[in-house]
Amino acid sequence: DTAVSQTPKYLVTQMGNDKSIKCEQNLGHDTMYWYKQDSKKFLKIMFSYNNKELIINETVPNRFSPKSPDKAHLNLHINSLELGDSAVYFCASSQDLGTDQPQHFGDGTRLSIL
Amino acid sequence: SQQGEEDPQALSIQEGENATMNCSYKTSINNLQWYRQNSGRGLVHLILIRSNEREKHSGRLRVTLDTSKKSSSLLITASRAADTASYFCATDKGGGTSYGKLTFGQGTILTVHP
Repeated sequence: DTAVSQTPKYLVTQMGNDKSIKCEQNLGHDTMYWYKQDSKKFLKIMFSYNNKELIINETVPNRFSPKSPDKAHLNLHINSLELGDSAVYFCASSQDLGTDQPQHFGDGTRLSIL
Repeated sequence: SQQGEEDPQALSIQEGENATMNCSYKTSINNLQWYRQNSGRGLVHLILIRSNEREKHSGRLRVTLDTSKKSSSLLITASRAADTASYFCATDKGGGTSYGKLTFGQGTILTVHP
């Protein structure tokens, strides 16, 4: 069973469209994250949730809206997609908010804006 | 600014050789983690070292931490073609809780030739 799964794996869409990425973890973890990895492989945290509560909200445009219906799921909705949103988006989870434990990553969603 | 920076950016070696990657960071930390990313996949946790530890081993991996120099190194001994991947260090922020926030460097691309 995949520990952290995200769908879709690839997303190709036009500028201006709205799209969603879904993430689920079956590890029983309390904390989930969204990261963005750019073309130079630089990985930056966007959001984190702990037990459905928003904890970290980095300086991300408000076109990006995360939603956590329960602690096993963290979805990412993006409005009015722009060319600069092209990247690989990773979902991750960890047992709790401590940084003394590993984060488990999904395999990413490659978003391409035409 | 980025917390962690890896060096070298790329490393190419022959199977059986050792590979050493370095990570430097700017502020104090509680913990430092190393991750591996295979092409097209998510990050996989390798090893965690706490700020009060100087060295840690896991199989063919050896990690050192020098908090006075704000640097860490990852040594992979007897490398294999399967070790070909990007390697990232990730740091938290010392002095208090980071609420799970890790800051990743841009990674070292390791290529191991058979």
